[in-house]
Parts: sequence; C-alpha cells; structure tokens
Amino acid sequence: GENVEQHPSTLSVQEGDSAVIKCTYSDSASNYFPWYKQELGKRPQLIIDIRSNVGEKKDQRIAVTLNKTAKHFSLHITETQPEDSAVYFCAATWGGAQKLVFGQGTRLTINP
Amino acid sequence: GAVVSQHPSRVICKSGTSVKIECRSLDFQATTMFWYRQFPKQSLMLMATSNEGSKATYEQGVEKDKFLINHASLTLSTLTVTSAHPEDSSFYICSARDIDRVGRGYNEQFFGPGTRLTVL
Repeated sequence: GENVEQHPSTLSVQEGDSAVIKCTYSDSASNYFPWYKQELGKRPQLIIDIRSNVGEKKDQRIAVTLNKTAKHFSLHITETQPEDSAVYFCAATWGGAQKLVFGQGTRLTINP
Repeated sequence: GAVVSQHPSRVICKSGTSVKIECRSLDFQATTMFWYRQFPKQSLMLMATSNEGSKATYEQGVEKDKFLINHASLTLSTLTVTSAHPEDSSFYICSARDIDRVGRGYNEQFFGPGTRLTVL
C-alpha cells in the first residue's frame, strides 16, 4: 500500500521567514497530493493541493512543488505569520477509491 | 458549499457501551465517505471506506465487528463503536467526496468537525 513520510516533525521559524515541509510517497500511481492545516481539536483544513500532472502550484504565500520522478512533494510558506502556527499534514491518494494516506504531521511554530 | 457535519461532537460513555457517530454531507451527495481515527499528537489513520448501498471496506487491523459502518443514503454514514473500551478513546473524523466534483475530476475530500470519544 501507500506510505507517506513527512519531515520535519517539528519546525520553528521566526515570523517573516519561510517554512518548508517535505513529504515522500511510495506509490507511483498516486495522483493527488493535498496539504492540510489542523488546529487543536479541529478538522483538517485544506490549504493547497496539487495533481500529478502539475509540477508546482502557488496560492499567495503558500506553494507546493511535486517531483514525480523522485516521488516527493513539498509545502512552502513564505512571509510566515503567527497565525500560521499549527500542525500541517501532507497526504497522497491511493487505490481506486482514492483513499488518502497521511504523513505523520509537522508542528509548525512561528516565533514573533 | 461542501459542508460535512458530525454528531455528536463529543461523547463520554462507560466501558462496554456502544456509541453511534453520524456523518452527514449537508449540501452535496457522496457515494463514498471515509472514517478516520486520530490519537493525541498523531496523524489521521484511515479506518474504513464507507460505500453507499454496499459494505464498507476496512483497513488492515481494523475490526469490522467492532466498528460497524452503515451508509444508507447519499448524505449519511454512521460509525458505531460497539462495546467501547478506554483504548477506543480517540478523535473520530469523517470525510466525504462530492459526486458531482468527482465526476469532473476533482479529488478533494471534505472533512467533518470530528467527534471526541472518551470511554471511561
């Protein structure tokens, strides 16, 4: 089955700096890669996603890059703000039912 | 649009009792819903795929007789935790895919707000 590895598990950056979170996946057939932000006790919130036919996607301060050959994708957050502090999860689809397999999560802390 | 609700949001029960959690798509139809479990400070782990009108598909290691899933309509899936024990205490989250969006090639899953189960 699909396996998604996410690094780092914790990340602390100064406000205004950039943050990068990386994920690798195992199933070359995976074709959809969403990123979620989750605050304590809340549902995961989709922040950006990318399909396998695209190498990069950007939405204001957030961007995602995908390298299908290497089977890894990354989340980039620029000009970080305190409200960006949360746990971030990457995920990849697997199987005909397009199940989502999640990475282990990254706790991002933005220091003022 | 694309709102998913869950009920209850929080439940506390005694060991040995059964608990039913509902997942509803409020403004779209979903032939497929997913049930996840999330322990504190851990990731979301897929438990099962709920299919409207047919049996659910369970992930390896998830007991189908303990976690009963019913998906009787295009807007409702239920998860029943039978004979709950303290180790079943967790955050249970459902998600659903919009039939119309899937038909147009969109893969996005819409998540419910979660149900926190505490078994005493």
